[in-house]
Amino acid sequence: GAVVSQHPSWVICKSGTSVKIECRSLDFQATTMFWYRQFPKQSLMLMATSNEGSKATYEQGVEKDKFLINHASLTLSTLTVTSAHPEDSSFYICSASQEPPGAQYFGPGTRLLVL
Amino acid sequence: QKEVEQDPGPLSVPEGAIVSLNCTYSNSAFQYFMWYRQYSRKGPELLMYTYSSGNKEDGRFTAQVDKSSKYISLFIRDSQPSDSATYLCAMRAQNSGYALNFGKGTSLLVTP
Repeated sequence: GAVVSQHPSWVICKSGTSVKIECRSLDFQATTMFWYRQFPKQSLMLMATSNEGSKATYEQGVEKDKFLINHASLTLSTLTVTSAHPEDSSFYICSASQEPPGAQYFGPGTRLLVL
Repeated sequence: QKEVEQDPGPLSVPEGAIVSLNCTYSNSAFQYFMWYRQYSRKGPELLMYTYSSGNKEDGRFTAQVDKSSKYISLFIRDSQPSDSATYLCAMRAQNSGYALNFGKGTSLLVTP
């Protein structure tokens, strides 16, 4: 149980385009989902926390207009990178909390490369 | 001072060895403790989840929490080359909205 999927796993796009990443909890309902960014050989950096039906809470330094998050249902959250630039290239990972016990379960990640 | 400290390693051990991974923390409000394993280019996988102090065992893995010392450990018995990965500790307080505080991760290499 507690499986989280992400789609796509890999995306290459041109600078200036927008990219949408989906995160789904497959076998449980997730009131809260999280979006992280990870650079090579570094730990996870929390970008935002999203709760179903409400606006996401962004971490300091994360541009909310650039990284749009929509948590439309208890099993789906999306992250849209708007007007992507090469510096947005990174590994994006989502997680979902299952209650109980309140642990976070991570998706497999999406590798974004902006040319 | 970072709230969660974890030695990044790398830690190299021979196959079959017992591995000890550790984290220290400064926030006494932390009550939920997790260990994740992350392979390169993959999302973290939850290995152990414990609440408050004590030990928890699951197969070759044992998690220990010592709240008095603000110290948690993960032991891996009979280590295998497939255990080679980065191990992240994570923790949170009771009413933190499930947001986690992560260590930087320890890179482990188990050599055949």
